[in-house]
Amino acid sequence: DTEVTQTPKHLVMGMTNKKSLKCEQHMGHRAMYWYKQKAKKPPELMFVYSYEKLSINESVPSRFSPECPNSSLLNLHLHALQPEDSALYLCASSQDIGGLGNEQFFGPGTRLTVL
Amino acid sequence: GQSLEQPSEVTAVEGAIVQINCTYQTSGFYGLSWYQQHDGGAPTFLSYNGLDGLEETGRFSSFLSRSDSYGYLLLQELQMKDSASYFCAQNYGGATNKLIFGTGTLLAVQP
Repeated sequence: DTEVTQTPKHLVMGMTNKKSLKCEQHMGHRAMYWYKQKAKKPPELMFVYSYEKLSINESVPSRFSPECPNSSLLNLHLHALQPEDSALYLCASSQDIGGLGNEQFFGPGTRLTVL
Repeated sequence: GQSLEQPSEVTAVEGAIVQINCTYQTSGFYGLSWYQQHDGGAPTFLSYNGLDGLEETGRFSSFLSRSDSYGYLLLQELQMKDSASYFCAQNYGGATNKLIFGTGTLLAVQP
């Protein structure tokens, strides 16, 4: 299984809602990532988890809260989002960190719309 | 901040060769990766240069020159399915395997 899966594919939420994005991989990868991608822009790193511990938070607002329950799962909890948070949220995984050229495998993303 | 610049759009015809350039200002990275992203799809890894020089993977080749702060992706024998966005990305490895993506190039392959 060389896939990273993400659910849901699409999500529409109001600014007062609480929702969660889910990401799963069964490749035995020990590093997982959240990216945000706006239309016609490159992916921007949000969080890095290594061995289920948060190793990078790229100054992301606290209304985004990541969680890594185990080595295969990564969640992103959303609360009190703003319309400008509407974007494609991509999850990725890699075998490890610290390796050279460590390829990242991306999921198809969750397209989030905040009304 | 870190920035990797790419041409915004490139157009080429089927069967041709196209080069997508990536210039950067910030050094200190482990290597330069290239990713392809079809419209509405996930980025997929194409190539990686840890050392200066050319890396060849089938129809795709990638080049890095740290002294010139420059890299490129070369696509040969273009096919319609190669129409996509292409991103270079600096890989900072170390404790994070952090990727910083370039501005992206939209490649349109015409018949």
